[in-house]
Amino acid sequence: GDSVIQMQGQVTLSENDFLFINCTYSTTGYPTLFWYVQYSGEGPQLLLQVTTANNKGSSRGFEATYDKGTTSFHLQKTSVQEIDSAVYYCAMRGPSSGGNYKPTFGKGTSLVVHP
Amino acid sequence: GPKVLQIPSHQIIDMGQMVTLNCDPVSNHLYFYWYKQILGQQMEFLVNFYNGKVMEKSKLFKDQFSVERPDGSYFTLKIQPTALEDSAVYFCASSFGTGGLQDTQYFGPGTRLLVL
Repeated sequence: GDSVIQMQGQVTLSENDFLFINCTYSTTGYPTLFWYVQYSGEGPQLLLQVTTANNKGSSRGFEATYDKGTTSFHLQKTSVQEIDSAVYYCAMRGPSSGGNYKPTFGKGTSLVVHP
Repeated sequence: GPKVLQIPSHQIIDMGQMVTLNCDPVSNHLYFYWYKQILGQQMEFLVNFYNGKVMEKSKLFKDQFSVERPDGSYFTLKIQPTALEDSAVYFCASSFGTGGLQDTQYFGPGTRLLVL
């Protein structure tokens, strides 16, 4: 079945450090891939989304490339800030032509950035 | 940006009773979703809903769960009867479509349900 595997647990960094959170997916066809960010006490909000293989999405300094070859969608940011502290979810949605409406989320990675 | 509202924000209920969680989705959205997040764990898909019907549901969507959106009002999740393991935060989300950028789901702030 469909699955999203991402780095679990907590990542602790200092401001201006480089961030890398890995994410791999498993499905058939060409899904749409997402990164969501969830701040404490809030619902998740979309960070970035890529629908086409080999394309890159970027937002607020975060980037992720849809790599069909390695089935990966790793999240990176060159220089994190304290306000980036949150839980990050990698997610996937099956190709709509296949009638798969069910989104699949990874387990989430908690990022703590110290000033 | 577009907002999804959820009412109530918190609900405490005795095991065995019925509870209804309400969601006010983004006004022109057509697809609606419920997710469950137990404290400290990942968010898990429960169900999605379109044109008055359940499109897909996960195995977490037990027989005691039901969803509806009567006449374009709130999109509701009803649990009857509730069980202790239903204690969680329930997130509602909505999207305009299911393809490409229309896939973008907007989430509400969640309803924290505690079953005693």
